[in-house]
Amino acid sequence: AQTVTQSQPEMSVQEAETVTLSCTYDTSESDYYLFWYKQPPSRQMILVIRQEAYKQQNATENRFSVNFQKAAKSFSLKISDSQLGDAAMYFCAYRRGGYGGSQGNLIFGKGTKLSVKP
Amino acid sequence: KAGVTQTPRYLIKTRGQQVTLSCSPISGHRSVSWYQQTPGQGLQFLFEYFSETQRNKGNFPGRFSGRQFSNSRSEMNVSTLELGDSALYLCASSRPFRVASYEQYFGPGTRLTVT
Repeated sequence: AQTVTQSQPEMSVQEAETVTLSCTYDTSESDYYLFWYKQPPSRQMILVIRQEAYKQQNATENRFSVNFQKAAKSFSLKISDSQLGDAAMYFCAYRRGGYGGSQGNLIFGKGTKLSVKP
Repeated sequence: KAGVTQTPRYLIKTRGQQVTLSCSPISGHRSVSWYQQTPGQGLQFLFEYFSETQRNKGNFPGRFSGRQFSNSRSEMNVSTLELGDSALYLCASSRPFRVASYEQYFGPGTRLTVT
């Protein structure tokens, strides 16, 4: 069975600084997708960034980028120029490649609570 | 485009009762998944529906059930509520597989409290 591990329950970063959140996963499949989701306090979960396993190039979305190490099964999230609005729970998630009528479910890590200090 | 909507947002029920939660996906999205979020267990997959058929199911007891309608709206039902069912229930929608979009977009959730 696939598993996702986030080893940092809490992290803190100074405003405008850079922080990296860690995620490792375990799978025997070759076709899969990895995601980082952000869940602000009492607010909706939103997608931050995604990475297709077949792509070697690391995904980037504005201040957010990933370091995808397929062989090591590692998928870390780097947030540059941290802002107060980045404070949230961050979840790493895995999803197998879809086939037929099922896209498969997301398997989540336990999350990392990120605090941003002004 | 409107996002995923869930109703009700908050619910308080008593042990032994049953509850029905509703989810309306983003327009054009035909796949709907449900997740349970608790402090202890984190985010756990309940089930996935596509074209009115349950395509995938998580490891939850039979008290948890769901369905999807022809307009892609989905409901989940929990019968004989237990205190441990208190959780945030999240619905997520995504496009059909062959449109090759794999992101799931989440609704705000329904906070269920069982007393």
